Order: sequence, then structure tokens, then C-alpha cells
Amino acid sequence: SQKIEQNSEALNIQEGKTATLTCNYTNYSPAYLQWYRQDPGRGPVFLLLIRENEKEKRKERLKVTFDTTLKQSLFHITASQPADSATYLCALPFSGGYNKLIFGAGTRLAVHP
Amino acid sequence: DGGITQSPKYLFRKEGQNVTLSCEQNLNHDAMYWYRQDPGQGLRLIYYSQIVNDFQKGDIAEGYSVSREKKESFPLTVTSAQKNPTAFYLCASSIMGGVGNQPQHFGDGTRLSIL
Repeated sequence: SQKIEQNSEALNIQEGKTATLTCNYTNYSPAYLQWYRQDPGRGPVFLLLIRENEKEKRKERLKVTFDTTLKQSLFHITASQPADSATYLCALPFSGGYNKLIFGAGTRLAVHP
Repeated sequence: DGGITQSPKYLFRKEGQNVTLSCEQNLNHDAMYWYRQDPGQGLRLIYYSQIVNDFQKGDIAEGYSVSREKKESFPLTVTSAQKNPTAFYLCASSIMGGVGNQPQHFGDGTRLSIL
């Protein structure tokens, strides 16, 4: 069955540095991959979608890569700020269709001043 | 502003009681979803609906029920058969499209606890 793995340990970095989060998946070849941000006590908010034929996608300080050979996506936040502190979730489409998504457990990012 | 409204924000259930969580959207989306989130786990799909008057079970539907009588509303009932209901419940919606290429829009959740 499909499986998504995100680092369960929190990532602590200093303000101004680049944060890099990892999403690995198995038993699947998705056509798309999505990244969401979730703040405590709130619902996830969609950030970026990358297609399998797009190696890299950028949005302001965010950059996502998608390596279908390694079955991995990397999510980068450059010039990180304390306001970037949140949990970041990756999501893949369900292999059976129906517009369903399978979500990873997320990685918590803490940016320290 | 368009969005998804979940209510109440906090809910307490007594043993043997059914409770209903509300989810309303004004985004004109066809598809709606209910997820359960437990600490350290990914979102798990309870039920989803692609169109009015139709819905399908997700991965953990046992002990839950839904209805979709209106496009904008997708209430979730947590029945007494759900023995471990304590969790954070999230409702989402999306437009219908190709497989996995539509972002989902989420409400701010309902936190359900057992009294």
C-alpha cells in the first residue's frame, strides 16, 4: 500500500538559514505532490503543488523539488523567519483516484531568532 | 470571504452519546472530505463526497456517519460505536478535477473530547 514518510523529529534552525524538509514515499508513482502548512489548532493551508514532470517549483521563499527516481520531495524555505515556524505536511494523490489525498504525519519546523 | 466553517471549535461527548460536527463551505466546491488527526499521525480520511447525495467511506469510517443533502454542507456524526473519538476533526473541500491535482481547502477543525 502507499506509504508516506516525513521526519517525525522537529527541525530547529536559526533565523535567516535555509530549512529543508523531506518527504519520502513508497509503493507508488504519483503524478503530483502537494505541500501544506499547519499551525497549532488550525487546519492545513495549501502551499505548493508540483507535477512529476517538474523537477523544481518556486513560490517566493519556498522551493519544492520532486525526484521520481528517489521517490522523494524536498521542501526548502530560504531566509527563514520565526513566522515560518509550523508543521509542514506533504500529500500524494490516492492511487485509486477519486481526488483523494494521502497525507504524511508532517515535520514541525521551529525557527529561532 | 470564501472559506470553510467548522463548528463548534470544541466539543465534549458523554459515553453512549452521538454528536454531530458541522462543516459549511461557500467556495462552490463539489468535493468535501472529513479527516481525523491524532498526535504524531497523518490526516486519516473518514468519509468523502464528490457530489450532493453521494458519499464514500474513507479509511476509518467505522463509528461515523455523514450526509450530503446540500452542496455547501457536509455534517459528520460521531456515533456511540466509535470507541475512541478523542481527536482533532478537519473538514476540507476541493473542486473536482484530475487525480490529485486539486488543492484541498480546510476548516479550522473541531476538537472532540470524551467527558
